[in-house]
Amino acid sequence: EIMLTQSPATLSVSPGERTALTCRASESVSTNLAWYQHQPGQAPRLLIFGASTRATGTPARFSGSGSGTEFTLTISSLQSEDYAFYYCLQYNKWPPWTFGQGTKVEMK
Amino acid sequence: QPHLQESGPGLVQPSETLSLTCTVSDDSLSSGSHYWDWIRQPPGKGLEWIASMYYSGQTYYNASLESRVTISVDVFKNQLSLNLRSVTAADTAVYYCARHVRGSFGVITYFDLWGQGTLVTVSP
Repeated sequence: EIMLTQSPATLSVSPGERTALTCRASESVSTNLAWYQHQPGQAPRLLIFGASTRATGTPARFSGSGSGTEFTLTISSLQSEDYAFYYCLQYNKWPPWTFGQGTKVEMK
Repeated sequence: QPHLQESGPGLVQPSETLSLTCTVSDDSLSSGSHYWDWIRQPPGKGLEWIASMYYSGQTYYNASLESRVTISVDVFKNQLSLNLRSVTAADTAVYYCARHVRGSFGVITYFDLWGQGTLVTVSP
């Protein structure tokens, strides 16, 4: 089973700031990695798949990068609606499909 | 816009069976382009994939739950179901249904649409 480790667990960010979240895999997942945004009480939302391809409707301020075992989700200028939990998912080796433990982006 | 909606009892007694239904709107479980899955999130913890099913009957289960779980689809009602037997407090979680993209050559990839989730508490 591939383990995904996200860091940091919590990020305190001011509106308008640039921020980066990291996801590390226990073995190579190539570019078979997705990122999700989750507001509590709502459905998780797909942001990025293929490590760097924005899903339909994902704002351009979100970008994904990386391959192999290290991946980054960057938010170029944080908006108020971006305060949420973010999860990475690997789909290179399955089952099981596995998620990181999440990063909470909170207001500074 | 396609929509997934989970439903089921919010409270289940220990040792009993947890049964959930996911109703799919504006999409078809038998379209062939997706698998259909259950995922859960215990309070304060991360997301755990439970099971996946294709309309033709192919299933995948998380090995940690396989002995207690059954996933099924009703293509006429356009519903996905989950049964989890012999539940304990550790099964308390928000349960999500999700649409799972089927790629080329049968590769199953990422989840592209989720329901809002339903909280199930296991307690006497």
